[in-house]
Amino acid sequence: EIVLTQSPATLSVSPGERVTLSCRATESVTNNLAWYQQKPGQAPRLLIHGASSRATGIPARFSGSGSGTDFTLAISSLQSEDFGVYYCQQYYNWPLTFGGGTKVEIK
Amino acid sequence: QVQLVQSGAEVKKPGSSVKVSCKASGGAFSTSGINWVRQVPGQGLEWMGRIIPILGLATFAQRFQDRVSITADKSTTTAYMEVSSLRFEDTAVYFCARDFSTGSNAFDIWGQGTMVTVSS
Repeated sequence: EIVLTQSPATLSVSPGERVTLSCRATESVTNNLAWYQQKPGQAPRLLIHGASSRATGIPARFSGSGSGTDFTLAISSLQSEDFGVYYCQQYYNWPLTFGGGTKVEIK
Repeated sequence: QVQLVQSGAEVKKPGSSVKVSCKASGGAFSTSGINWVRQVPGQGLEWMGRIIPILGLATFAQRFQDRVSITADKSTTTAYMEVSSLRFEDTAVYFCARDFSTGSNAFDIWGQGTMVTVSS
């Protein structure tokens, strides 16, 4: 199965700062990669699909890039409501797999 | 606006079974893949399997295929996920989630989650 490794595990960031999260796959997933945000006690929310396409209603400060094995989620100017855990997911091959997550804390 | 509403929390004994439902309302059901994702408390997300209701065809992650069944009832637009031979380590929140589109297995709509506790 394709293993996704996310880094860093935890990030402590001040509001207004730029944030970049990384997701690396053990083999190419082309652009079949999604990013989710999850807050405590809630279901995940789709942010990015197709590696770089924002989902409906997602603010423009969120952007995704990459293809193949290396992907990045960027938040251009972190807002206080952006805290949570961010997961990447590949849907290139079965079984679908998720990365271990990056926890974003507000400093 | 499509919504997925799941059944309520369950407490089960080891060795028993649990069946969680996921009712879709407000949009297409039969042609959209419905997935099940597990989250052990404090841990990450794990895909368990999926079904395309119009086909009745289920696909599973290998580690779940012996103890998990996934079904769908088109008439009630409800998907079901059953785990048998429950173990303590099956204690988790179980989510259903819809495929974003045909050919894209990103998940755009999620249920609220169902907490399953396995306790003696």
